Amino acid sequence: AIQLTQSPSSLSASVGDRVTITCRASQVISSALAWYQQKPGAAPKLLIFYTSILESGVPSRFSGSGSGTDFTLTISSLQSEDFATYFCQHFNNFTPITFGQGTRLEI
Amino acid sequence: EVQLVESGGGLVQPGGSLRLSCAASGFTFSAYSMNWVRQAPGKGLEWVSYISSSSSTIHYADSVKGRFTISRDNAKNSLYLQLNSLRTEDTAVYYCAGLGGAYSFDYWGQGALVTVSS
Repeated sequence: AIQLTQSPSSLSASVGDRVTITCRASQVISSALAWYQQKPGAAPKLLIFYTSILESGVPSRFSGSGSGTDFTLTISSLQSEDFATYFCQHFNNFTPITFGQGTRLEI
Repeated sequence: EVQLVESGGGLVQPGGSLRLSCAASGFTFSAYSMNWVRQAPGKGLEWVSYISSSSSTIHYADSVKGRFTISRDNAKNSLYLQLNSLRTEDTAVYYCAGLGGAYSFDYWGQGALVTVSS
């Protein structure tokens, strides 16, 4: 099974900072990679799908990129509401559907 | 507005059973592939099971294969997960989630907590 490893596992930042989170796959994967944001006590929320396509309603300060084994989520200018945990996810025909372990973004 | 509302969670002893339900509204449920995703306390997300829109295709994670059964009733806009032979490691919040055409989870419920403990 493909494994997704996110780095860093946790990150301290300030409002206005530019932040990049990396998701590394254990082998070359397709572009069917998504990013989610989860706040405490809430369900995950889809931010980006197909590596770089922004979900409707998601602020443009979020962006995604990557290919092969390395993918990134970038927040161009952190806002207070962005402090949360972020997960990457890949679909590979149910072998199985995998998530990264998460990156906790803290003030 | 899209809504997925899970119910049926609770406390159960090891070896016991539970049935989770997920009521969908605000989108064409019968056209969507649906999944269960779980999250153990303080841990990450783990995909559990998938069912296609017509129920013709079903998949399970190895960790639950043979113990959990996914099903759906499109007439009732409902998704189900039967959990049998429960183990302490099955303790988690269980989310129902809709898988979109881009192979991402577009819609999520609020989650149902299942606690397996003696």
